[in-house]
Amino acid sequence: DQQVKQNSPSLSVQEGRISILNCDYTNSMFDYFLWYKKYPAEGPTFLISISSIKDKNEDGRFTVFLNKSAKHLSLHIVPSQPGDSAVYFCAATQGGSEKLVFGKGTKLTVNP
Amino acid sequence: DADVTQTPRNRITKTGKRIMLECSQTKGHDRMYWYRQDPGLGLRLIYYSFDVKDINKGEISDGYSVSRQAQAKFSLSLESAIPNQTALYFCATSGALETQYFGPGTRLLVL
Repeated sequence: DQQVKQNSPSLSVQEGRISILNCDYTNSMFDYFLWYKKYPAEGPTFLISISSIKDKNEDGRFTVFLNKSAKHLSLHIVPSQPGDSAVYFCAATQGGSEKLVFGKGTKLTVNP
Repeated sequence: DADVTQTPRNRITKTGKRIMLECSQTKGHDRMYWYRQDPGLGLRLIYYSFDVKDINKGEISDGYSVSRQAQAKFSLSLESAIPNQTALYFCATSGALETQYFGPGTRLLVL
């Protein structure tokens, strides 16, 4: 049973526009969520995170929104740049367990 | 220099062979992890270690073993490699917080 779901395998946007990547989870015990970005031939790189006590966290062009009642989070990238083209993984954990559960990833392509 | 290094970066082996993948970190973290990634799938946890004397099985530990030789080193072994262990393997570390930092990965092909 997949506890963290990224239902869109791929997303294509124009440079300068907003990219919205979505993630759903089923385990209500998850209380910390992370986004990782992965380029080909490299390991995943931490991007941004959010605790369940918040509903929004912002870091430069990246904003993560959390809707606990819907068990849904999203990553917004504004404005999108070609260098943002990568696979984005959503991950979740239950506080103290330190085991991350990953989604399957969404491949973002930002076209110039 | 990279904080988390993995060797080798690429490996081709034959069914039945024993191989070891190595991970070293300079971040001073106590916690280390091994994941595998298959095409179209997310990362799945194989083993994790909270310190040198603490080793725990993850989601898919069958067919694998690990050794935590020191705080900075965590090795993954495939005792008798099989073709469905062909995958991309990542090592990761974390400190007191949940954020994990990943190595560059080892691409393994089992023929």
